[in-house]
This record gives sequence, C-alpha cells and structure tokens, in this order.
Amino acid sequence: GQSLEQPSEVTAVEGAIVQINCTYQTSGFYGLSWYQQHDGGAPTFLSYNALDGLEETGRFSSFLSRSDSYGYLLLQELQMKDSASYFCAVRGPFYGQNFVFGPGTRLSVLP
Amino acid sequence: IAGITQAPTSQILAAGRRMTLRCTQDMRHNAMYWYRQDLGLGLRLIHYSNTAGTTGKGEVPDGYSVSRANTDDFPLTLASAVPSQTSVYFCASSDKGRGYTFGSGTRLTVV
Repeated sequence: GQSLEQPSEVTAVEGAIVQINCTYQTSGFYGLSWYQQHDGGAPTFLSYNALDGLEETGRFSSFLSRSDSYGYLLLQELQMKDSASYFCAVRGPFYGQNFVFGPGTRLSVLP
Repeated sequence: IAGITQAPTSQILAAGRRMTLRCTQDMRHNAMYWYRQDLGLGLRLIHYSNTAGTTGKGEVPDGYSVSRANTDDFPLTLASAVPSQTSVYFCASSDKGRGYTFGSGTRLTVV
C-alpha cells in the first residue's frame, strides 16, 4: 500500500515562518501536491511538484526531493487566516494515477 | 459560479438504507473522484472516474458504487448503509491531474 506521514500539529506565531513536512512510501511516484482546508470547509489546492526543487507561489513555497521521498510546504509571513489543516498528496501508478492523501497537519497561528 | 455541487449537504440515515450522494460539475473536467474524510485519517479515495464511461476502485471502495454516464455527473451510492460509513464525503474533479477542485462536502451520519 501507499503511506504518507505528516506531523499532526504545528503551532507558530503571526509573522513567523513554518515548515510542514511530508514523507511518503509509494509504489512509484509522479508528483506531490499540497492542499489547505479550513474547519468546515473543502480542501483547496495550493501547489504541485513533479520535479526536485522549490516552487514558490506568493507566501507559500513547496519543496520536493524524490531521492529522499520527502517534501515540505513553507509558509512565510504567517497570518491568522493561515490557521487550517494542510494535506500532502502523492500521485503515482496506483488508483488510476490519482492522488492518495496524507493524514494532515493542523496549523495553529497565534497572535 | 463554476465548480462542483454536492447534495445533500448533510443527512442522517438509518442503517440498512440505500443512499445516493449526488455530485455535479460544470467545468467540463475529465476526471472525477469521491473521497471520504475521517478525523486523523485524512482523505481516502473511494472511487474515481478518469473519463466519462469509466470508473475505478480507490483505497476504500467496499460498500460503495459509482457510475459516470456523462462528463458532469458522478453519483456515489451506498447500497446498504452501515455505521462505519459515517463520514464527510467530498466529490472532486480535475482536468490536467495537477490539482483537484473539491465540492463543499456531504456530512453523512448512519445510525
């Protein structure tokens, strides 16, 4: 089977930088995505990495190392509205080449 | 507003009853998915359809069935509901496979 690991909770203060890690063990790999989900809401797409390296989108960046089966989401200049759950998801040659999600990391941003 | 519409928003269902969760998208995306979300387990793929007329099994397909008669609709049916199917169900779609658009979810309680 496929398995993904993320920290269950992360806490940081407003204005800080936080990194949410994701490690995966899968039978093949095509890409890694990140999603944000506020309480009671639907997941929303943040980023997708298919190749090694850093992808930047505004305050959010996502990194991938395929050799280490590892990625992270970096959130800069944290705002209160960033308090949410963050999920990594991996796509590979399984389940019709569709995504398997990690258990999620709950980020709490303190004033 | 373009997106995914799920119905009902919430439902309480007696065990043993049959239930169909509806999902409609207006983005003309080829692929559609059903995930269930349970606390601490993230989102788990139930069934997927990479294109109209085809479906496939995901991580947790038992007790569920789907059909994809056209591009826009992807209903999920519980033939005989059991309490372990109590969950939040999300329908999603994608076009190029990088990121999913999710519906607002259906909260189902089986009693």
